[in-house]
Formats: sequence, C-alpha cells, structure tokens
Amino acid sequence: KNQVEQSPQSLIILEGKNCTLQCNYTVSPFSNLRWYKQDTGRGPVSLTIMTFSENTKSNGRYTATLDADTKQSSLHITASQLSDSASYICVVSAKTGANNLFFGTGTRLTVIP
Amino acid sequence: DAMVIQNPRYQVTQFGKPVTLSCSQTLNHNVMYWYQQKSSQAPKLLFHYYDKDFNNEADTPDNFQSRRPNTSFCFLDIRSPGLGDAAMYLCATSRDQVAEGYEQYFGPGTRLTVT
Repeated sequence: KNQVEQSPQSLIILEGKNCTLQCNYTVSPFSNLRWYKQDTGRGPVSLTIMTFSENTKSNGRYTATLDADTKQSSLHITASQLSDSASYICVVSAKTGANNLFFGTGTRLTVIP
Repeated sequence: DAMVIQNPRYQVTQFGKPVTLSCSQTLNHNVMYWYQQKSSQAPKLLFHYYDKDFNNEADTPDNFQSRRPNTSFCFLDIRSPGLGDAAMYLCATSRDQVAEGYEQYFGPGTRLTVT
C-alpha cells in the first residue's frame, strides 16, 4: 500500500535553533518527493522537489535529503525564525496510477521566541 | 501576483443548501485539482482535470461535482452539503503530470462552514 508517514507530528523549538523533520514512504514506483510548507489557513507552498537521483537539495535555510534505498527523506531547517511556524507536508509522487500523489499528514512546527 | 485564486476565501452555507466554490489560474496550466483538507489532516484529492478530461477519485462522494468551462476556471459544486463537508477546499494547478516532476501550485483555499 502506498503510504507516507511523517514524524514527529508536532514540534516546538526556540527561535534560532535547528530542527529536522522526517518522512518515510512506501510509494512505488517512486517518481519524486516534495516538501511543502503550509501556513495556517493557507494553501501549501512548495519548498523542494527531489527525484530518485538527488540526495540533497537546498532552498535557503531549508535543506532536504533523500535516501531512495531506505525510502526516507528529511527536511532540515537552519536558524529557525518565527515565520517558520507552519505545517510541513511531505508528498511523494508515483510514476503510475491516476492518483499518483501521496500526502503525509504533516509535522506542525512552532517556533517560539 | 496571485497565480491560483480562490473565491470566496470563507464560505458559510446551510445544511443541504447547494454551494459553489471557484478557482481561477493565470498560469495557463493544463491540470487543475480540487482537494479537501480537514483539520490536522493531509489534503485529500477529490478530482482533477487534465485539460478537459475529468478524473474523479473512486472514493469522492457523488455529492461533489466539478466543472471546468475553460482553461482558467474550475468550479467545485457541493449539491447538498452535510456537516461532515466542512473543511478547507484547496485548488491546485500544474503544467503537466506531477509524476513528471512538474510543480504544483496551490491556491489559498476556501474555508467552508456548514451550519
């Protein structure tokens, strides 16, 4: 069964600290993996897209990693800011199937001063 | 510059009263999607259009319908809203199939309340 699991469900960190969010998936055949940031009451915004051959991709203070062998991805946030408070959603795309996007339930990050 | 626009942002409707949510895009993308997202849950795909081809998810209730009169606009019609249909409805677009790596752009969503 194609699934995407994220951990932790929620996380509270102090401003300026780093954090890492995890995503494990069983989607096959794998096409790509995306990380989205979703502010409360807003639509998701793409942070990174990674294909099978990519191990690391950065977008400012966000760095995503992908291990296609173990089917794991992480999103590392450096020097967190209050504006990083949001839900972070991992989405995995399969190469086949009409519904080929599988969403994780997200990690709710709260950055406190 | 808004690229995927949803109106209204907040919609209140009565139990059983038909409601229509709208989405428009300035990206000229081929694919438009409608998602339902309930609190603390992942977005759930209801259906999508690839150009004029309508693709309904197997578990999308018949109560939900969609129209895409042209490339720019897509509507979500809920024929008889129930209390369980209260959710955030997200519209998204992509130039082509996301499995090919195309970016997916989301609108800000419409928060639907059913009273």
